[in-house]
Amino acid sequence: AQSVSQHNHHVILSEAASLELGCNYSYGGTVNLFWYVQYPGQHLQLLLKYFSGDPLVKGIKGFEAEFIKSKFSFNLRKPSVQWSDTAEYFCAVTYGGATNKLIFGTGTLLAVQP
Amino acid sequence: KAGVTQTPRYLIKTRGQQVTLSCSPISGHRSVSWYQQTPGQGLQFLFEYFSETQRNKGNFPGRFSGRQFSNSRSEMNVSTLELGDSALYLCASSFPGRMETQYFGPGTRLLVL
Repeated sequence: AQSVSQHNHHVILSEAASLELGCNYSYGGTVNLFWYVQYPGQHLQLLLKYFSGDPLVKGIKGFEAEFIKSKFSFNLRKPSVQWSDTAEYFCAVTYGGATNKLIFGTGTLLAVQP
Repeated sequence: KAGVTQTPRYLIKTRGQQVTLSCSPISGHRSVSWYQQTPGQGLQFLFEYFSETQRNKGNFPGRFSGRQFSNSRSEMNVSTLELGDSALYLCASSFPGRMETQYFGPGTRLLVL
């Protein structure tokens, strides 16, 4: 079955620390990859997306992600986190022609300590 | 441009009842998808509507249904509610194209007692 794995369920960092959240997906066909963020009390927002081309994509608020096809991975990174980055982060994938059927990972809860 | 709006924002129902949730997409968006978010199962795809037709469907029982109107607004209906249907129901809309991206609304929180 098509699935997405996020290995870190809870991450606690201090401000200015670097962040890397892992995301792996099953299936080796055509995929589109997304990271969404849900800040406390707010709705899901798109951080960044990958459809094709340069495997290193940059998103909002200084986030970036790298698509590594050979590893079926799409890890999210930020060089220096801020307290305002405290949120839940979701990796999501669409497969093949089902362009709007997002398969989500279980989410990673990030807490940034000031 | 206004975002995706969902009504109502909160709802309390009892087992056996039915419920209808509404979603208004971003202006110009023609695809509307619905997702269920629960602490145990996470975010799960329910179905997608495009041009008033269901285009994709997730693995939910037939009690969950939806429809889309000619103005792209969508409704989701759940009949014979069960306690396990308590969840946050999210609607997302997108503009058709090669790099179609979904934008989410705030959700409707449904509590079934």
